[in-house]
Order: sequence, then structure tokens, then C-alpha cells
Amino acid sequence: EPEVTQTPSHQVTQMGQEVILRCVPISNHLYFYWYRQILGQKVEFLVSFYNNEISEKSEIFDDQFSVERPDGSNFTLKIRSTKLEDSAMYFCAGVEKDYGYTFGSGTRLTVV
Amino acid sequence: QKEVEQNSGPLSVPEGAIASLNCTYSDRGSQSFFWYRQYSGKSPELIMSIYSNGDKEDGRFTAQLNKASQYVSLLIRDSQPSDSATYLCAVNSWNSGNTPLVFGKGTRLSVIA
Repeated sequence: EPEVTQTPSHQVTQMGQEVILRCVPISNHLYFYWYRQILGQKVEFLVSFYNNEISEKSEIFDDQFSVERPDGSNFTLKIRSTKLEDSAMYFCAGVEKDYGYTFGSGTRLTVV
Repeated sequence: QKEVEQNSGPLSVPEGAIASLNCTYSDRGSQSFFWYRQYSGKSPELIMSIYSNGDKEDGRFTAQLNKASQYVSLLIRDSQPSDSATYLCAVNSWNSGNTPLVFGKGTRLSVIA
């Protein structure tokens, strides 16, 4: 079964550094999402992406965050200047029309 | 604000028993309802989706939806130790994929051998 692939699986970064998290969705997915989950907390929506542009974003998704689809396949989430509270699991998800969301394996981001 | 509420548990059941997981949601406009299983440190894995009032069965899993009561449940029959995980209830407002899921905090299930 096709998978949504995320890299890296674990990233440790110093506070204030930029990080880029990468996702390769399944080719027939139409909608793409980034979610995060702080340890012990809910899975929270960050941003959705459709037709090569942001379609919706949450309050969490402030100016420190950006998303791109640089080459038509990879899908990236950039955090410009990481803070300690950005430490979380970050999940990318893809959706075929009318089907459930398929989540990637996640990237554990640790900001020290 | 759209909210999804779940009892955090842990819910402990003996192997072979039925586990019953419950979820309520605040947005009456919700159309699509999902149950995900999440093992510790792993990503959510889709177990069931349900869109209409009533029951939907898939193997050992049955999802139940009551839109009037804004209530979704998941029954797991013949529970196995491998079912021990956190079960996440998620809803969204449309029947297509262009709206984000709103998740509950999850119910931790422990199946005792």
C-alpha cells in the first residue's frame, strides 16, 4: 500500500535555527495537510494546501511557518526560527477526494 | 470553537472482551467522522470512517454515529493485547478532503492478557 513518507524521522535543533520538514505524499492525493502533536496533547491542524497554494491555516501557523511544494511532489514545512515550544511530532497528511486522511510516519522535532 | 471530547482513560479491558470508546463533538455541521489508532510515538492510522447515522461494521470494529446527540462511538470486539493503543476521534465539516480534521485528545485503551 502506498505510503506518505516523511523525512527526517527525528530532528534535533538549537533554538532560533531554521528547520525544514519534508513529506512525499501519495501521487493521487489532492489535498495536503500539516498537523503537529505536542507530547501528551491533541493532534492539531497547522495548514492545508491545495492546488499549490495554502487553502486554510490555523492560529498556530504564524509568520514563523511556511509551506512549499517546490518540485510538484515534495511538500515542505519550514520553521524559520525555532522555539522550545515548537518541540512536537509533525505529521503530514494527504487526502484523496472523499477518502480518509493518510498520515505520514511523522518527524519528531526536538528544540534545545 | 469546534471541540471533540473523549475520555482520556485509560480504559482497561480483559482479552476477548468488548471495548467501548466514546466521543462527542460540538459542531452540528460536522459531516465526516473518523476513528484513528495511534501507538506511542507513531502516526495516526485510520481504523474506521462513518458519515451516516447508525452502525458501520468492519471486522472486529463497529462505529456508531448519532448526529442528533452529537455522539460517535467505536466498539472493538474480541479485544486483543495488540489493540492496546490510543484511539483518536476526529471530525470534519464536509464530505470531501478540503477541510481539516478536528481531533479529540484520545482514549488510551489497555487490553490485559
